[in-house]
Amino acid sequence: NAGVTQTPKFRILKIGQSMTLQCTQDMNHNYMYWYRQDPGMGLKLIYYSVGAGITDKGEVPNGYNVSRSTTEDFPLRLELAAPSQTSVYFCATLADTQYFGPGTRLTVL
Amino acid sequence: GESVGLHLPTLSVQEGDNSIINCAYSNSASDYFIWYKQESGKGPQFIIDIRSNMDKRQGQRVTVLLNKTVKHLSLQIAATQPGDSAVYFCAENAYSGNTPLVFGKGTRLSVIA
Repeated sequence: NAGVTQTPKFRILKIGQSMTLQCTQDMNHNYMYWYRQDPGMGLKLIYYSVGAGITDKGEVPNGYNVSRSTTEDFPLRLELAAPSQTSVYFCATLADTQYFGPGTRLTVL
Repeated sequence: GESVGLHLPTLSVQEGDNSIINCAYSNSASDYFIWYKQESGKGPQFIIDIRSNMDKRQGQRVTVLLNKTVKHLSLQIAATQPGDSAVYFCAENAYSGNTPLVFGKGTRLSVIA
């Protein structure tokens, strides 16, 4: 099993650009999550999904959108990138415990 | 609202000594707690968890203690090694699976060789 995979690993965006952070899991877990981690801080929940077709807002959803058309994929969309969205983004699944992907480091200039 | 926090943001420990990392939580409904280790440039890695029906749980070189009376959680690492240097997070939720984990800010553990 590859577990939770995220692409890209790094990305630099200009203000106002859009992008999609990809997250894929091969563990058939229903629950998936997107977190952001700012430097020296803990993780803040952006969006989560309890199964295909169902998504819910977390603590900091503004400026992001998600979709969950399949169990495996949970992409995170930034429509108009802002410098405040510079962060490391982690995707995770939940079964017996939470499994995290390696992260995507995003810089918005 | 619910919050999970840590008493000490940084901790320096001599190699071979025991480390204790503390965490406070405020949601009395929380019944599931996890400790994660995050090394530089990597995602959080599960270390150990504990349910609220337990006071103590031991793993390999790690022990988690839960004091529900004062809403306090601690992680003890025995014989701390250089490879233990990382940021440690506690997280909690009500173990229904529908409530996302709430993470604390983290404690950086530095092991002095």
